[in-house]
Amino acid sequence: GNSVTQMEGPVTLSEEAFLTINCTYTATGYPSLFWYVQYPGEGLQLLLKATKADDKGSNKGFEATYRKETTSFHLEKGSVQVSDSAVYFCALVSGAGSYQLTFGKGTKLSVIP
Amino acid sequence: EAQVTQNPRYLITVTGKKLTVTCSQNMNHEYMSWYRQDPGLGLRQIYYSMNVEVTDKGDVPEGYKVSRKEKRNFPLILESPSPNQTSLYFCASSLLLTGGEQYFGPGTRLTVT
Repeated sequence: GNSVTQMEGPVTLSEEAFLTINCTYTATGYPSLFWYVQYPGEGLQLLLKATKADDKGSNKGFEATYRKETTSFHLEKGSVQVSDSAVYFCALVSGAGSYQLTFGKGTKLSVIP
Repeated sequence: EAQVTQNPRYLITVTGKKLTVTCSQNMNHEYMSWYRQDPGLGLRQIYYSMNVEVTDKGDVPEGYKVSRKEKRNFPLILESPSPNQTSLYFCASSLLLTGGEQYFGPGTRLTVT
């Protein structure tokens, strides 16, 4: 079956530090990959996506590249802000016509001034 | 404003007392889904629906029911709640064409005593 493994948190960084959150996956077929973000007290929001190998998704300064050879989709940001404090979820859907998202367990990021 | 709404946002109830959590979306999405979020377990899918009158089980359907009589609404029913159903519940929706790009509601925090 499909599975997503992401680095366990919590992660605490100082403002303007570089962020990497690791995500690897196991899936049948050719999955589409996603990062979702959950701000305190809110539902999840789609942050970025990539639908095929070597695609780079980007949004709000965050980036992630779909690496088929290493089955990875690591999230990066060059300079984090306090407002980036949230829980980040890596997720995938696998196979044509598939709609079921498989989520990682989430990584909590805290950014301190 | 495009959104998914859930009600109630917070609910405390007792074991065995039937309850319904409503979910509504205004984006004309075909696909709707319910998830529960528990610490250390991430998000797990309970039920999903690909269109009116079409529903199917997710990964953790035991103890839950759903219905999809209208395209915009997808209520979650707990016929006889138990303490192990204490959780944070999210409704989500998407177009079938972009299955992994789901819009999430704000969440319902349910406590069963």
